[in-house]
Amino acid sequence: GDSVTQMEGPVTLSEEAFLTINCTYTATGYPSLFWYVQYPGEGLQLLLKATKADDKGSNKGFEATYRKETTSFHLEKGSVQVSDSAVYFCALTLGGSNYKLTFGKGTLLTVNP
Amino acid sequence: DAGVIQSPRHEVTEMGQEVTLRCKPISGHDYLFWYRQTMMRGLELLIYFNNNVPIDDSGMPEDRFSAKMPNASFSTLKIQPSEPRDSAVYFCASSSRTGSMRNTEAFFGQGTRLTVV
Repeated sequence: GDSVTQMEGPVTLSEEAFLTINCTYTATGYPSLFWYVQYPGEGLQLLLKATKADDKGSNKGFEATYRKETTSFHLEKGSVQVSDSAVYFCALTLGGSNYKLTFGKGTLLTVNP
Repeated sequence: DAGVIQSPRHEVTEMGQEVTLRCKPISGHDYLFWYRQTMMRGLELLIYFNNNVPIDDSGMPEDRFSAKMPNASFSTLKIQPSEPRDSAVYFCASSSRTGSMRNTEAFFGQGTRLTVV
């Protein structure tokens, strides 16, 4: 079945460090890919998305590029802030008639001042 | 819009009791999802509805779990009887099909933290 694999956390960085969170997927079709973020005590919210190969999603300094050849959608940010501390989820959907989001297990990021 | 509203935010109950979680989706959204989040299993889709009709309930763990959506503005997830292993954060999310479903964003509520003792 369809699945998303994220790098195991937790990830701890110092402020202004470079961030990469790896995400790979397995899908029976041609998915759209998403990154969601969950701040402490809150629900998930969409961070960025990409719907076709080579698309780059970006938001709030975060970027991810849809790589069909490696089935990957790695999240990157050049300089993290303390306020970026959260859990990050990679997800996919195939759309069509049976819409659902399949999530990875999430990666906890802690940024220290 | 106030977003997706879930109640209660926290629920502590004794094993064997019935628990009902409630969700009000964003007005105009025609998809509603129930997810369960635990440390061990991450975020699991339990069931989702389209236009108030259950489409996929394959994630519902067992017969003790049931979900209903009597109208477009309200859904419930019921656990009867509850067990300690049901302790988790339960999220409701809603979305609206705008053009291709491939672009659709899901909007999440703040979740209900359930503790069964």
